[in-house]
Parts: sequence; structure tokens; C-alpha cells
Amino acid sequence: AQSVTQPDIHITVSEGASLELRCNYSYGATPYLFWYVQSPGQGLQLLLKYFSGDTLVQGIKGFEAEFKRSQSSFNLRKPSVHWSDAAEYFCAAHMNYGGSQGNLIFGKGTKLSVKP
Amino acid sequence: GAGVSQTPSNKVTEKGKYVELRCDPISGHTALYWYRQSLGQGPEFLIYFQGTGAADDSGLPNDRFFAVRPEGSVSTLKIQRTERGDSAVYLCASSPSSAGELFFGEGSRLTVL
Repeated sequence: AQSVTQPDIHITVSEGASLELRCNYSYGATPYLFWYVQSPGQGLQLLLKYFSGDTLVQGIKGFEAEFKRSQSSFNLRKPSVHWSDAAEYFCAAHMNYGGSQGNLIFGKGTKLSVKP
Repeated sequence: GAGVSQTPSNKVTEKGKYVELRCDPISGHTALYWYRQSLGQGPEFLIYFQGTGAADDSGLPNDRFFAVRPEGSVSTLKIQRTERGDSAVYLCASSPSSAGELFFGEGSRLTVL
């Protein structure tokens, strides 16, 4: 069955430190991949997406993610975390069936806390 | 506004009652999705519309849940005989037909007492 796994439920980092959030997918072929962020009481906001091509993708708010086919991974990174980055982060994936997309499947999320 | 709009933002109801949740997608978006998010969980897929028809309703948990999109724009998620386990945030998203990016509303929080 298709699935998205985020192994870390909760991560705490110090402000200014680097960040990596892990995501692994299980699909028959390479899906489209996304990272969303959700702040308390807010809707989901797209950080970045990978469809094809360059495996390192840049997103908003200084985030980037690297697609690694051999590891079925799409990890999110940021070189220097800001206190405002504290939120919940969701990795998601869906297949593209010749222009008709399947449903978007989410991981369970990783909650990021930032220490001053 | 230009985003996905969901109403009501909060709904408290009693067990056994009927509930409707409305989603107004971004103008021109042909795809519309409903998700359910329980506390501490990721969004769980319910149903996906392409135009007026349900392209995939495999996520609806049982026959108490039903959704419509009669004119290919606004959608209504309907829950009959609500149960306490239905309490969650119901998220709606819309997407251009082939771009692959979903734009989410802020959700409707349903509490069943």
C-alpha cells in the first residue's frame, strides 16, 4: 500500500541551529512529493514540492528538500532555524496518472520546537 | 478573498445529529479534496472531486459520510447520525486539474458531544 512515513514525532532544536526532518515514501513508482507546514490554528501551507528534475528543491522561508530515489526519501532541511519556524511539518505524496492526480497521502507529521 | 473558504469554522453538535460542512474552492480550480485531521495526526484523505463527480471516495469511513459538488465549485460534506469519534478538523483543498499542488482552507472544527 502507498504510504508516507515521518519517523520523528517531535524534534527540538536551538535557534540558529540546522534542521533536518525525515520523510520516506512507499510507492510503486516515484510520486510527486510535498512538504507542508501547519502553525497552531492555521491551515496547511505548502513549503516546497518535487515533481521531477533537479533533486534539490528550494522552497519558501529558506527551506530546501532533497529527493533521493535510492533511499525513497525526501528530507526537509534548513541551515539556520528561527523561532518562528516552530510548527508541525507534514510530508505528503501522490501519484500522477497521466495528468489525473491521485489523492494526496500525508505522513503523521513532525512537531518542531525551537529553543531560544 | 482568493483562498479556499470553509464554513463554519467551528461546529459543536450532539451525538446523533446531522451536520453539513461547506467548502468554497479557489475560483477555476477543478479538483477539490476533503481531508479529516484528528488531534496529533496527519490529514486523512476522505474524498476527491474532479469537476462535479467524485473521482475517488475510498477514504469515506462509512455510509454516514457523503459529499456533493453539484455545480463543480462549492462542495458540501454531510455527516449523518454523528458520533463522538467524528470529532476532528475537516480540511478542504482545491487544485488546478494537473498542477499537483493543493491549496488548503483553514478547516472546520467539528466537536460531537
